[in-house]
Amino acid sequence: DTAVSQTPKYLVTQMGNDKSIKCEQNLGHDTMYWYKQDSKKFLKIMFSYNNKELIINETVPNRFSPKSPDKAHLNLHINSLELGDSAVYFCASSLKAPSSYNEQFFGPGTRLTVL
Amino acid sequence: GEDVEQSLFLSVREGDSSVINCTYTDSSSTYLYWYKQEPGAGLQLLTYIFSNMDMKQDQRLTVLLNKKDKHLSLRIADTQTGDSAIYFCAEGLRGGYNKLIFGAGTRLAVHP
Repeated sequence: DTAVSQTPKYLVTQMGNDKSIKCEQNLGHDTMYWYKQDSKKFLKIMFSYNNKELIINETVPNRFSPKSPDKAHLNLHINSLELGDSAVYFCASSLKAPSSYNEQFFGPGTRLTVL
Repeated sequence: GEDVEQSLFLSVREGDSSVINCTYTDSSSTYLYWYKQEPGAGLQLLTYIFSNMDMKQDQRLTVLLNKKDKHLSLRIADTQTGDSAIYFCAEGLRGGYNKLIFGAGTRLAVHP
């Protein structure tokens, strides 16, 4: 009965490859997020979707493309991987709560290593 | 601007109190949060405070908010080895879809 799950947990790949990370939540939340955590543990939001609609799109290279087939799923596809993409990617979800309390539930993370 | 700052490391002895500090810049924040990240895991909400409150207590945790100075602190009483983790301060921005801005995290090490 995992709340927010991500696959894979670890991903090791060569520079230039294309890869995807998947995220699913069974909490009935409307909003999902992708965060990137670098080696110094800085956590930065990348994207957010609300009911399959993109609502937050930070300054992220367009090699990164999120896709939300339904409100329970948010996938992240990365083209032409670069060394600097190595990080832990966290998915999170929350209830839609404009101007209000916004507890976000995080997945366990996907550690991406680009060689 | 959107910026949240925390000191990066804190080392305390088991049984002592820990105080983790955070400063933020956006005065329109609605809620402020403390998240805990244990090794190899995702972040988990520890506690939060609404921006019109000064203090919130929850068992061993005490959150203090000085809105004038934009300063937030988390005090953990009787710190245990299981409290060793990275603690992230985050501010929730007013409007839109409540983007959270996270600090860099404070690594708390508890030693015997």
